Amino acid sequence: DVKVTQSSRYLVKRTGEKVFLECVQDMDHENMFWYRQDPGLGLRLIYFSYDVKMKEKGDIPEGYSVSREKKERFSLILESASTNQTSMYLCASTLSRGRRAFFGQGTRLTVV
Amino acid sequence: GQSLEQPSEVTAVEGAIVQINCTYQTSGFYGLSWYQQHDGGAPTFLSYNGLDGLEETGRFSSFLSRSDSYGYLLLQELQMKDSASYFCAVKSSGSARQLTFGSGTQLTVLP
Repeated sequence: DVKVTQSSRYLVKRTGEKVFLECVQDMDHENMFWYRQDPGLGLRLIYFSYDVKMKEKGDIPEGYSVSREKKERFSLILESASTNQTSMYLCASTLSRGRRAFFGQGTRLTVV
Repeated sequence: GQSLEQPSEVTAVEGAIVQINCTYQTSGFYGLSWYQQHDGGAPTFLSYNGLDGLEETGRFSSFLSRSDSYGYLLLQELQMKDSASYFCAVKSSGSARQLTFGSGTQLTVLP
């Protein structure tokens, strides 16, 4: 089975800190995605990547950046964490023409 | 851009049939998929429709009408364990293959 692993399950950071969320997949998928999930808002796409060093903005990219230096790893960066970035962050991957996305277990980030 | 609409909540009793609708707007449609998410868990894939018609997988079926930009998930013989959030998601065409989710439908199955 495909495995998508997020580096932390729970994370607490202070306002203004630079935060790195890491995601690794083991099935050679071309596409990788970062979402945030908030109650009543579903999964909102932050950024996605369809190849190494390639990235595209999703619906809510403000305050975030991403890095994809290797095919299996996709990092989400909060340049200066703010309390409104407290959320559940989900990473997913798919084949380029794949029908299904595989998700990591999520990182619950709290910014205090 | 992409947008999807689905009901926020649905309630049904064990053994019943429930349909969760999804309408979408997208620039470049590739396929519609459905995911299930239990509280505290990650979304898991249920089904995918790339062409018009019905796809059946056990108790779950999914339907797509590309001309109407509409799809639904049909859950039969409901069980308590089906209580979860259900999301429709649109995959866009083009090189980027963006995957956009709806806001989710909370299904509650009552005994």
